[in-house]
Amino acid sequence: NAGVMQNPRHLVRRRGQEARLRCSPMKGHSHVYWYRQLPEEGLKFMVYLQKENIIDESGMPKERFSAEFPKEGPSILRIQQVVRGDSAAYFCASSPGRVADTQYFGPGTRLTVL
Amino acid sequence: LAKTTQPISMDSYEGQEVNITCSHNNIATNDYITWYQQFPSQGPRFIIQGYKTKVTNEVASLFIPADRKSSTLSLPRVSLSDTAVYYCLVGDIGGGADGLTFGKGTHLIIQP
Repeated sequence: NAGVMQNPRHLVRRRGQEARLRCSPMKGHSHVYWYRQLPEEGLKFMVYLQKENIIDESGMPKERFSAEFPKEGPSILRIQQVVRGDSAAYFCASSPGRVADTQYFGPGTRLTVL
Repeated sequence: LAKTTQPISMDSYEGQEVNITCSHNNIATNDYITWYQQFPSQGPRFIIQGYKTKVTNEVASLFIPADRKSSTLSLPRVSLSDTAVYYCLVGDIGGGADGLTFGKGTHLIIQP
């Protein structure tokens, strides 16, 4: 049973470009979470999705950031018009059910904005 | 207002037992307590989860007093490979994302 997969593992973008981060949850998991981690900081919750629905996006910046989890395919975190401050590690996690269930994390995508 | 409070860092030696305590004074009735471990450049990994009293698995024990305002992660006979950041989370089983703040965790350093 493959774990949570994220790609790309490393992504370099220039200011103003778009970044698309993909996350494939573990088989059988219908809940996906996205987190951002700055260097030397803890993980900051961004958004919680179930299939085709955003359940909680209280941690998402109001502009430029969006997330989706379509019926088919991976979850996508999209950052438009990236700025240097978006440089961070972005982790995706999945769980079989509710929030308090164990979350299984992917290896992360490290975004660098030049 | 932070939901959990942990020491920023701890040091210990190989073979010792390490206890990391997390304070969660405002824990709610529906909240579970979960601990994660994170190595550099990797995603966090689940260690243990509990609601009250004591939970033990193959890698750790979790002690939760009756008032549930704190919890202690106990790592028996640590090794160098246990050097990592340990996060304590308090999560609402009702489905809200309030408990999904990892904070800065406790940086545990194990020395030979």
